Amino acid sequence: GDSVTQMEGPVTLSEEAFLTINCTYTATGYPSLFWYVQYPGEGLQLLLKATKADDKGSNKGFEATYRKETTSFHLEKGSVQVSDSAVYFCALRDIQGAQKLVFGQGTRLTINP
Amino acid sequence: NAGVTQTPKFRILKIGQSMTLQCTQDMNHNYMYWYRQDPGMGLKLIYYSVGAGITDKGEVPNGYNVSRSTTEDFPLRLELAAPSQTSVYFCAGRDGVSPLHFGNGTRLTVT
Repeated sequence: GDSVTQMEGPVTLSEEAFLTINCTYTATGYPSLFWYVQYPGEGLQLLLKATKADDKGSNKGFEATYRKETTSFHLEKGSVQVSDSAVYFCALRDIQGAQKLVFGQGTRLTINP
Repeated sequence: NAGVTQTPKFRILKIGQSMTLQCTQDMNHNYMYWYRQDPGMGLKLIYYSVGAGITDKGEVPNGYNVSRSTTEDFPLRLELAAPSQTSVYFCAGRDGVSPLHFGNGTRLTVT
């Protein structure tokens, strides 16, 4: 079945550091790919998405590019802030049927001032 | 516009008790989902629904039941609570190709 594998956490960085959180997937067909963010005590919020190969999703300074050849969707940000501290989830959505989302295990990110 | 609303926020159950986790949405979502989130395990799909009157099992349905009598409501039922059901439960909904909208979760402890 479909699956998503994320970089193990937790990840701790200093403010203004460069961030990469790796995500790779296994799927039949051509899924849509997503990054969700979860702040403490809240539900998940969509951060960005890409629906086809070579698409780049971006939001709030975060970017991720849909790489079909490496089945990857790595999340990057050039200069992180303390307010970026959260748990980040990579997910895929099959284009067929009920289009269920399959999530990675999440990566906890802490940014120190 | 309230979005996806879950109640209660917290609950403690004794082993063998039953309860219903409520989920309601006012965004006219056709698709609705229940996930559980365990530490370091991401989210696992319990049940989902593609419309009123239609439900189907997800990845981890054992010990749970759902119903979808209206478009707005998608309650999750635990009949005989077990410690393994201690988790944070998230309801989510969407329509068409929109992204998922999540509720804020219900933290359940079974002791």
